[in-house]
Order: sequence, then structure tokens, then C-alpha cells
Amino acid sequence: EAEVAQSPRYKITEKSQAVAFWCDPISGHATLYWYRQILGQGPELLVQFQDESVVDDSQLPKDRFSAERLKGVDSTLKIQPAELGDSAMYLCASSSRGLGGGYTFGSGTRLTVV
Amino acid sequence: GESVGLHLPTLSVQEGDNSIINCAYSNSASDYFIWYKQESGKGPQFIIDIRSNMDKRQGQRVTVLLNKTVKHLSLQIAATQPGDSAVYFCAELRTGFQKLVFGTGTRLLVSP
Repeated sequence: EAEVAQSPRYKITEKSQAVAFWCDPISGHATLYWYRQILGQGPELLVQFQDESVVDDSQLPKDRFSAERLKGVDSTLKIQPAELGDSAMYLCASSSRGLGGGYTFGSGTRLTVV
Repeated sequence: GESVGLHLPTLSVQEGDNSIINCAYSNSASDYFIWYKQESGKGPQFIIDIRSNMDKRQGQRVTVLLNKTVKHLSLQIAATQPGDSAVYFCAELRTGFQKLVFGTGTRLLVSP
């Protein structure tokens, strides 16, 4: 079964350091999403790509977060500098048509900022 | 492993019981709804979906009910099994926007 791949699975970083997460969506999925999930809450959308273009980054803290999907395939989410409040699970999802059944999540990267 | 949802509402059931998990959604313009299951340390897993022109949809051991009048969704799990223990989220989507909005999760605990 096709999966959304994410790495690393876990990351511990000191505040003010830079950190990056990587996502490889399901082959052929044009739409890629990055979500942040704080413990005890549902995931919240950070950024959405359609191919290599950003279509929604309204909830992305742009002073410290950046995301790219240069070739319209895999994607990187970066935080610089990391803050204590950034500790969360970062989930990547991809979709072929933007609807639930084709909307698949990866296992996430668990970030702890110390 | 990590624990998702330490302070979430919790539903505790016995193995073999039927479970009902409820969700209130926020946007009356949402026309597509999805239930996800999230196990500890994993990403959300699709369970079942329903469009706003339906009020009920059945899958294998699961049924979703939609009441648009009161903006309420429910997920019914028949013959609940220990493997069903997880956090369950409803999510809503408005066609054309492709942005899933998740509700507050519910932790389901199934005792043998």
C-alpha cells in the first residue's frame, strides 16, 4: 500500500536552532499538505502545495517557518529559529483530488524543543 | 511511544460493545466530512467519509451519521475490539477549498 514518507520520526533540538523535516508524498499526488498537531488537539494546516506552488500558507508563521516543494514532488518544512512552543507533531499529507479518501497522512515527525 | 491526546474526552467501552463517538462541526458550508483514527505515534488514518447530501453511510463495522440541522456527526463502531482503541477525529471540508479542518478528538478505550 502506498504511503506518505516522513523523516525524521523524532527530532530534539535546542531553542534558537534550525530544524528541517522532509516529506515524500504518494507518487502522483499533486497536492501536499503540512499540518502541525499539538498534543491533545487535532491537526492544523500550516501550508498546502498544488504541485510546486503554495496555495494556502495563511497559518504558517512566516517569520520562522518556511516550506518548499521545488520539483512538485517531495517537500521540506523548516523552522529557524525553533522556539519552545514549536514542540509538536508535524504531519505531512498528500492527496490526488483533495478529498478524504485520497487524503493520506504520513506518520509524522515528533519535534521536541528544549 | 508518544501519547496523542492526553486530555481528550474519553469513551471507555467493553470489548464487543457498540461505540458511538460524537462530533460537532463548525461550518455550515462544509459539504464533506471524514472520520480519522489516530493511534499513538502514528498519523491519522482514514476510516469513513460522508457527503452533505447524505445522512448515513455504512462501512465495515462502522457507520457515520450526519445531522446538518444541528451540525453534528457521529461515528458508530459495532462490536468494538481492543484494536479500535485510539483517538478519533472528525474533519470537515468545503469543496473547492481542499482544507481539512479537524474537530476535537475523542479517545476510545476498549477493555477486553
